[in-house]
Amino acid sequence: AQKITQTQPGMFVQEKEAVTLDCTYDTSDPSYGLFWYKQPSSGEMIFLIYQGSYDQQNATEGRYSLNFQKARKSANLVISASQLGDSAMYFCAMSPLRGAGSYQLTFGKGTKLSVIP
Amino acid sequence: EAQVTQNPRYLITVTGKKLTVTCSQNMNHEYMSWYRQDPGLGLRQIYYSMNVEVTDKGDVPEGYKVSRKEKRNFPLILESPSPNQTSLYFCASSPEAAGRELFFGEGSRLTVL
Repeated sequence: AQKITQTQPGMFVQEKEAVTLDCTYDTSDPSYGLFWYKQPSSGEMIFLIYQGSYDQQNATEGRYSLNFQKARKSANLVISASQLGDSAMYFCAMSPLRGAGSYQLTFGKGTKLSVIP
Repeated sequence: EAQVTQNPRYLITVTGKKLTVTCSQNMNHEYMSWYRQDPGLGLRQIYYSMNVEVTDKGDVPEGYKVSRKEKRNFPLILESPSPNQTSLYFCASSPEAAGRELFFGEGSRLTVL
């Protein structure tokens, strides 16, 4: 079974500063995918970024990057140059890439990010 | 426009009154799934479907049923709702299960009195 831990229930960041949201995971599967989703106050779930366990480079998507440290089992999300619109709930998630477990995406409990003007 | 559509978006009902939350996607996705979101617990998977007529339980299936008779539709059925099923429900779809982003519906907020 997979487990995702997000240890920061809430965080604050000054506008235009960078922020790191922590995510650690636990799995026995050798091949897995890691995801980050954003949930604004309006409630929808927005996909941000994906990292495969065998990807050689850390994933980046615009202002989002995933700091993947396989040995530490961490997949932290880095948001550069924070904007007011980044205020939201952020969820880390993972699934195996093979086998029956690949149909189950496991989410962490989330981190609420507040961007201060 | 590619989308996942859930209905109803909001519903208040009473204990024991059967209800169905519909979910439809127009992207020809093989994989569909239902999640519930509760404060402090994140999202937990209820059921998923790998293809038409193929479904399986997620982490919290008790009290729910699903069916996948057509590729585009994946309704969630609460045969006898109870107050502990008060939650925000999300339907999601993906071209395939592993290694691909999920496309989420807008969510259905259900209150069971």
